[in-house]
Amino acid sequence: EIVMTQSPATLSVSPGERATLSCRSSQSVSSNLAWYQQKPGQAPRLLIYGASTRATGIPAGFSGSGSGTEFTLTISSLQSEDFAVYYCQQYHYWPTFGQGTKVEIK
Amino acid sequence: EVQLVESGGGLVQPGGSLRLSCAASGFTFSSSAMSWVRQAPGKGLEWVSGITSRGGTPFYADSVKGRFTISREDSRNTLYLQMNSLRAEDTGVYYCAKVLAVSGLYFDYWGQGTPVTVSS
Repeated sequence: EIVMTQSPATLSVSPGERATLSCRSSQSVSSNLAWYQQKPGQAPRLLIYGASTRATGIPAGFSGSGSGTEFTLTISSLQSEDFAVYYCQQYHYWPTFGQGTKVEIK
Repeated sequence: EVQLVESGGGLVQPGGSLRLSCAASGFTFSSSAMSWVRQAPGKGLEWVSGITSRGGTPFYADSVKGRFTISREDSRNTLYLQMNSLRAEDTGVYYCAKVLAVSGLYFDYWGQGTPVTVSS
């Protein structure tokens, strides 16, 4: 099983600031990496796939980068609706998710 | 508009069974691979099972292999998950999810989830 590790567990950011979230895999997953956003009581929403391709309807303020074992999700200017938990997921082999990063208001 | 609506969750005793359903609409269900993903209370996401389009080849996480069975009924646009020999650690919200592309198991649409509680 490929283990996904996200950091930090919690990120405190002021509205309008940039947020940078990290995700590391225990072995190379090439670019087979997706990011999701989940708000309380809601289902996850796909943000990024292929490590850097935004899903349909996702604003340009969300960007993904990386390949191999190191990945980053960047939110360029945090809006109130962006405060949520973010998960990375590899699909190079059977899917596994990171434990999540909670982005909270500073 | 794509919609996925799960049903069938509830409270069941350890060792019991449940059958979850997911009614799909707004896309060509028969052409789409599908999956079940679960989330234990206050925890992260765990992929449980998947099934390919048309031929319906199933795949399972090791944690549920031999106990859960995924199936699909394309004529009814419905996905199922038969869960047997349930354990306390199977407790959580179960989401039905549509696979975006043949390039990999990642999910562009999710249902609202159905809760499963395994407890005596």
